[in-house]
Amino acid sequence: NAGVTQTPKFQVLKTGQSMTLQCAQDMNHNSMYWYRQDPGMGLRLIYYSASEGTTDKGEVPNGYNVSRLNKREFSLRLESAAPSQTSVYFCASSAATRSSYEQYFGPGTRLTVT
Amino acid sequence: SQQGEEDPQALSIQEGENATMNCSYKTSINNLQWYRQNSGRGLVHLILIRSNEREKHSGRLRVTLDTSKKSSSLLITASRAADTASYFCATDRKTGGFKTIFGAGTRLFVKA
Repeated sequence: NAGVTQTPKFQVLKTGQSMTLQCAQDMNHNSMYWYRQDPGMGLRLIYYSASEGTTDKGEVPNGYNVSRLNKREFSLRLESAAPSQTSVYFCASSAATRSSYEQYFGPGTRLTVT
Repeated sequence: SQQGEEDPQALSIQEGENATMNCSYKTSINNLQWYRQNSGRGLVHLILIRSNEREKHSGRLRVTLDTSKKSSSLLITASRAADTASYFCATDRKTGGFKTIFGAGTRLFVKA
């Protein structure tokens, strides 16, 4: 089992460019999440998908869109990148959104917007 | 604002010593989880404690929960250099829909 995989690992964008971060899990989990982590801070939830076909906003959704392509894959899109979106992005999955289930994290994507 | 906040922000100890990290939160919770993050990596789940539990053990980890004080502690006994990492608590809310919120973390450095 690969667990949660993310691509790319690193990305540099210019302001205004767009890109899609890909995430896939092979644990047959229903729920998937996108977080961002800024230096010295914890994780902030951008969007989540409780189950295939549903997506919901998290704490910091502005400037992002998501697609739950199927049960395995959950992508995050930046339509017009801004320097404030420079961060490390983590995808995670869990069996369900209830907090009694642990989340499994991918290795992260380090994004720099110049 | 963050639901869970850890302290200290950073902790440096010698190998073999115990490390204690604390987490305080603001509103009633269902569960509290602790995660570890090695530098440049994703978070790894360590332990979950439910609101009706007071203490849990897992190997060298001991977690306590005091719901009256809205606080939890993570104790790592006989620390090793490999325990060097950031540790985060994650809490939820009993009401207001799903939201698991991570604190800013405690950076632990264990000197060999």
